[in-house]
Amino acid sequence: KAGVTQTPRYLIKTRGQQVTLSCSPISGHRSVSWYQQTPGQGLQFLFEYFSETQRNKGNFPGRFSGRQFSNSRSEMNVSTLELGDSALYLCASSLAGTPTRDTQYFGPGTRLTVL
Amino acid sequence: GDSVTQMEGPVTLSEEAFLTINCTYTATGYPSLFWYVQYPGEGLQLLLKATKADDKGSNKGFEATYRKETTSFHLEKGSVQVSDSAVYFCAPHSGGSNYKLTFGKGTLLTVNP
Repeated sequence: KAGVTQTPRYLIKTRGQQVTLSCSPISGHRSVSWYQQTPGQGLQFLFEYFSETQRNKGNFPGRFSGRQFSNSRSEMNVSTLELGDSALYLCASSLAGTPTRDTQYFGPGTRLTVL
Repeated sequence: GDSVTQMEGPVTLSEEAFLTINCTYTATGYPSLFWYVQYPGEGLQLLLKATKADDKGSNKGFEATYRKETTSFHLEKGSVQVSDSAVYFCAPHSGGSNYKLTFGKGTLLTVNP
């Protein structure tokens, strides 16, 4: 069974631009979560989607948004990029998004560099 | 919300040495507890978990025991290998309608031959 895939793997953007990252979950998984990983802040939760609905959102500004499609694939968008948005963005999928019962499987991440 | 304090690294050990990475947590109720591992250039993988007090999670020679009285979930391995070099993350989860994991800062482990 194929794992979680994220595209692109690497991105370089300049301040003020916007970016869209994509995540394809494991087949059959309906929950997709996004995390931002930086050396300073560690892993921070961005949001979680289940059956096209956002169920939880972390403490990030409105420039960060996401969506999920009917096939469970998810995208996240960051508008008006800032230098501090440089990070590894990780996507994780699970059957129903309940960590106590489901295992979350992580993708390899998209490395975003903002210049 | 959930929070976690994890032993700061980096930790450098020789092969076959004993490993302990400390983790203490704050969470409501009776959280489940997780250890994730991130190998260089990869995403995170679930290493082990425990869902109730006194449970011991184990995998690949790693163990961690859920200690509710000390709110701890320390990771141990009796004999580390070079291939164990990675970043290790502790994460509590309170359950309910909260679908996010709160991760510790991570502990970088380097094992030298």
